[in-house]
Amino acid sequence: GAVVSQHPSRVICKSGTSVKIECRSLDFQATTMFWYRQFPKQSLMLMATSNEGSKATYEQGVEKDKFLINHASLTLSTLTVTSAHPEDSSFYICSASEGLGTAHSDTQYFGPGTRLTVL
Amino acid sequence: AQKVTQAQTEISVVEKEDVTLDCVYETRDTTYYLFWYKQPPSGELVFLIRRNSFDEQNEISGRYSWNFQKSTSSFNFTITASQVVDSAVYFCALRVRDAGNMLTFGGGTRLMVKP
Repeated sequence: GAVVSQHPSRVICKSGTSVKIECRSLDFQATTMFWYRQFPKQSLMLMATSNEGSKATYEQGVEKDKFLINHASLTLSTLTVTSAHPEDSSFYICSASEGLGTAHSDTQYFGPGTRLTVL
Repeated sequence: AQKVTQAQTEISVVEKEDVTLDCVYETRDTTYYLFWYKQPPSGELVFLIRRNSFDEQNEISGRYSWNFQKSTSSFNFTITASQVVDSAVYFCALRVRDAGNMLTFGGGTRLMVKP
C-alpha cells in the first residue's frame, strides 16, 4: 500500500517551454501533497505544500508563478514549470500523505521523482 | 526552528560489516515524529520507519534496527551484516506538530557497501 507515482520520470525540454509533472497516489487519498527539489548529492528542498481544493503554500524563495501547483483531486497533484530555463534542471520529487496536513502522525510517501533537463 | 544533522556524509563498508548511521535532531516541540528514508540510485525515497517522541523503544526489522535516545536527541540507524543492495543515500527527517505535516530533512548519508 501507500504507492505514489510520478509522470514523466524523465523529461528534456527546450528553454522557454513549460513542463507539467503529475503526482498520483495510487491506493490512498492524499489530502496533502508536497513538492520537493533535489540537486545532485544534496538533500531534499521543500518547494510547496498543497492541500486538495485549496491554493498551495510555497516556501520562501520559491516563485509561485514559476512553479504552478494544482491539487484538484485527492489522488492527483500537478507541478508545472513555466518558461523553463537551464537553471530549473533538477530532480523533482512529490510526496503524499493521507492526513489533513496538520495531523502529526501522518507519514509522507514519496514518488519516484522526475528528472528535468532544460536545454 | 527544527534541524536535523547527519554528520556522516559518506560511509564505505565491506559487505557483511555492521554500520551505524547517525542522526541528531533539534526541536523545542515535545510532540514530534522521526523518520528514516532510503534513496537508492533510482531516486525514489523509500519509507523505512516512523517513530513518535513518546515511544523510545528501540525497533528491529530484519537487519535494520533503530536506537532512539531522547536524552541525546538522537535517532541512529544500524544495518547489520550489510549487503551491496544496502548501498544508497539514507535520510533522517523530523516532523513537529507546529509545522503541520512538513518534514525537515537531514543532509543525508551516502552508504557504499563493497563486495
